[in-house]
Amino acid sequence: LAKTTQPISMDSYEGQEVNITCSHNNIATNDYITWYQQFPSQGPRFIIQGYKTKVTNEVASLFIPADRKSSTLSLPRVSLSDTAVYYCLVGEGNFNKFYFGSGTKLNVKP
Amino acid sequence: DAGVTQSPTHLIKTRGQQVTLRCSPKSGHDTVSWYQQALGQGPQFIFQYYEEEERQRGNFPDRFSGHQYPNYSSELNVNALLLGDSALYLCASSFQGPSQDSSVGWGETQYFGPGTRLLVL
Repeated sequence: LAKTTQPISMDSYEGQEVNITCSHNNIATNDYITWYQQFPSQGPRFIIQGYKTKVTNEVASLFIPADRKSSTLSLPRVSLSDTAVYYCLVGEGNFNKFYFGSGTKLNVKP
Repeated sequence: DAGVTQSPTHLIKTRGQQVTLRCSPKSGHDTVSWYQQALGQGPQFIFQYYEEEERQRGNFPDRFSGHQYPNYSSELNVNALLLGDSALYLCASSFQGPSQDSSVGWGETQYFGPGTRLLVL
């Protein structure tokens, strides 16, 4: 069972780049790494997904080292609206049942 | 293109009652997963439905049951409600495609609905 470990909380200021690192030492060969953002009383919103190396989309980048035992979500130039909880998940092969940890509460200050 | 929808948005029940929550997956998706999220916690996986069958289940008692219809929509049923069942119930959909016997995994991006807030008094 691939579990994840993330910092409980992080603080940042508007305009800064934020990097949130997730540890997943027991990641399996077939597992993908997925990050979600969640605002209070809303469903999680998909941010980015990757398997290895680097993935970039319009909102974030995901860095995955060769051993895949960790991953880093990078949010460029955060704003106040990026204040949310961010979850790192590792999928379990074909029949994905995602295990959410406690996530990282990001607080962006003006 | 409609995303994942859930109904109702809020619900209040009393202990011992039964509740049914509904989910319509994102267009083109055939797999539905249900999660329970208590206040201040991350979502906990309940079960997943694919091809109208439950194929994965988390650590939840039999009081939690579900169903998937031919149009891929799904229901979550909870019997004999307890105070501890008060939570945000989330539905997530994804695309699996035709059944296949493959040992090669692939990323199954799940898209979540807005959730149903259940309060048990």
